Amino acid sequence: QKEVEQNSGPLSVPEGAIASLNCTYSDRGSQSFFWYRQYSGKSPELIMSIYSNGDKEDGRFTAQLNKASQYVSLLIRDSQPSDSATYLCAVKDNFNKFYFGSGTKLNVKP
Amino acid sequence: DGGITQSPKYLFRKEGQNVTLSCEQNLNHDAMYWYRQDPGQGLRLIYYSQIVNDFQKGDIAEGYSVSREKKESFPLTVTSAQKNPTAFYLCASSPQVDYEQYFGPGTRLTVT
Repeated sequence: QKEVEQNSGPLSVPEGAIASLNCTYSDRGSQSFFWYRQYSGKSPELIMSIYSNGDKEDGRFTAQLNKASQYVSLLIRDSQPSDSATYLCAVKDNFNKFYFGSGTKLNVKP
Repeated sequence: DGGITQSPKYLFRKEGQNVTLSCEQNLNHDAMYWYRQDPGQGLRLIYYSQIVNDFQKGDIAEGYSVSREKKESFPLTVTSAQKNPTAFYLCASSPQVDYEQYFGPGTRLTVT
């Protein structure tokens, strides 16, 4: 069984701080990695995708991938109260199947 | 507008009844997926389809059935054999050659 692990949180950060969200995965052959944001009662929305080792930046968001350590992270700079949500890590295998972590709840305090 | 639609948003059924959840996409995506989400948990894959007239079981397929007769449609039937059907059901699609997966708004099913 392929697994994706996340700390459930909640992770609390003050407004304007950097929020760091982490994820580990078990399938060493995985090639594609994604971060989704899910507000309470809503469906997940894609924030970032990353496919190669290193950092990928998009606005206030930076995804980091280390395939050797089977680790992917998401940094949110200048966190805003509107960033308060559950963040889901997803990993895609070579058979086009996605595996999701249970999510980390982020609280950004004004 | 391109996107994924799911209907209805809320659905209530009595135990022992089959119910079909609709999922339609106009993104021209080849792959479509059904997930189930329970409170405080991640998404669990029920079924997925990479091409028309073909689909594969996910991790929790028991008590569910699907069809893929058209590229844009992937309905999910929750049968009376599903022991605990009350959940939030999410449909998603993904281009075959690209990688991202996009979600519909979801259907919240309550069975009493």
